[in-house]
Amino acid sequence: SQTIHQWPATLVQPVGSPLSLECTVEGTSNPNLYWYRQAAGRGLQLLFYSIGIGQISSEVPQNLSASRPQDRQFILSSKKLLLSDSGFYLCAWGHNYGYTFGSGTRLTVV
Amino acid sequence: GENVEQHPSTLSVQEGDSAVIKCTYSDSASNYFPWYKQELGKRPQLIIDIRSNVGEKKDQRIAVTLNKTAKHFSLHITETQPEDSAVYFCAASTNTNAGKSTFGDGTTLTVKP
Repeated sequence: SQTIHQWPATLVQPVGSPLSLECTVEGTSNPNLYWYRQAAGRGLQLLFYSIGIGQISSEVPQNLSASRPQDRQFILSSKKLLLSDSGFYLCAWGHNYGYTFGSGTRLTVV
Repeated sequence: GENVEQHPSTLSVQEGDSAVIKCTYSDSASNYFPWYKQELGKRPQLIIDIRSNVGEKKDQRIAVTLNKTAKHFSLHITETQPEDSAVYFCAASTNTNAGKSTFGDGTTLTVKP
């Protein structure tokens, strides 16, 4: 069956520290993958998307970056976190029936 | 790019009543319109969708209508129950641009028992 995994579930990081969030998909090949951020009580903001290994498109200029080192792996990173990076980060796998989201990572930058 | 507007931002109904959430989109090339339900602290989950070649789709108490000419689509929930309380998001996407979806800002639905 097709599933999507995202970790960690929660993260508290100090300002200026690095970040690495990981997302993997099982049961499919060459998936379209997306990273979204959701601020508290707000909608979903697309950060990055990828249609294949090494292919990353950025939607919003910021201090975040994304990488796709393997077909079914999508990583969101930052070298130095800002307070404004706090939020709920969601990885999504896109397919003919919309998105299947990962369980999300709640990031608090302190 | 695509712009999706969603109204209302909050909606409170009595249990058993109907709820309607409306969205408009700007890109006439959009051809796929999903709706997601997000319970508190959880991930959004697809509850119903509609494609541009269909005007209406129904699944038990949930229905979605699409007016391509006016570029708007709506979610209808009948006989609401307390467990319908959640944030609902509409979205629009096309087959191009890697199928990325543009989301509305969400509607917080509260169903009072």
